[in-house]
Amino acid sequence: EVQLVESGGGLVQPGGSLRISCVASGFIFSDYYMTWVRQAPGKGLEWVGRSANKGDNYITNYAASVKGRFTISRDASGNSLHLLMNSLKIEDTAVYYCVRENWYYYQYWGQGTLVTVSP
Amino acid sequence: QSVLTQPPSVSGAPGQRVTMSCTGSSPNIGASSDVHWYQQLPGKAPKLLIFGNTNRPSGVPDRFSGSKSGTSASLAITGLQAEDEADYYCQSYDSSLSASVFGGGTKLTVL
Repeated sequence: EVQLVESGGGLVQPGGSLRISCVASGFIFSDYYMTWVRQAPGKGLEWVGRSANKGDNYITNYAASVKGRFTISRDASGNSLHLLMNSLKIEDTAVYYCVRENWYYYQYWGQGTLVTVSP
Repeated sequence: QSVLTQPPSVSGAPGQRVTMSCTGSSPNIGASSDVHWYQQLPGKAPKLLIFGNTNRPSGVPDRFSGSKSGTSASLAITGLQAEDEADYYCQSYDSSLSASVFGGGTKLTVL
């Protein structure tokens, strides 16, 4: 059974940094593209960025709204996906979902972790 | 302002058929990018409902169907049930943005 479990969310001040993580199980982690999608309170879904699979050298891509501030990485040895968020803004407040991608669609979703950016 | 446009809300009575649209443009749906649909129940994570325009994952009832034509796509739900009340999102890939894009979501109310 595929499972994705996020952790690390919390309250951070504007301009601060936070790293959230996702532990994957039930599939060969290195075989799949992994994506972060966020949802601001009461709003719709927003693609944040993705990490390619091992075959595509774990290349990362980011939405324009987070490029240069957010970094996606994977544990070299484990089954973990990370999102390092720097220079956080109030508008980054959202539930962040870890998602397993399959040909540009999102097959499995974690339960999400809430990141709140507030003074 | 979302790249893909969805109506904010639709409604229908139990047993009825409802449809909801997802309108894009030439760099996304019009560029032959596939459209995918997600259902988000209140307080829950989104769930894949339709992938590749018309395909249902295992376990999704055949009451749900998708279609695509030109720069638009549609999700249809037949035999509407109370548990279908949720938010529905379309998603595609935009070649000009080099990014995945979502619609703003449609809230389905079962009357």
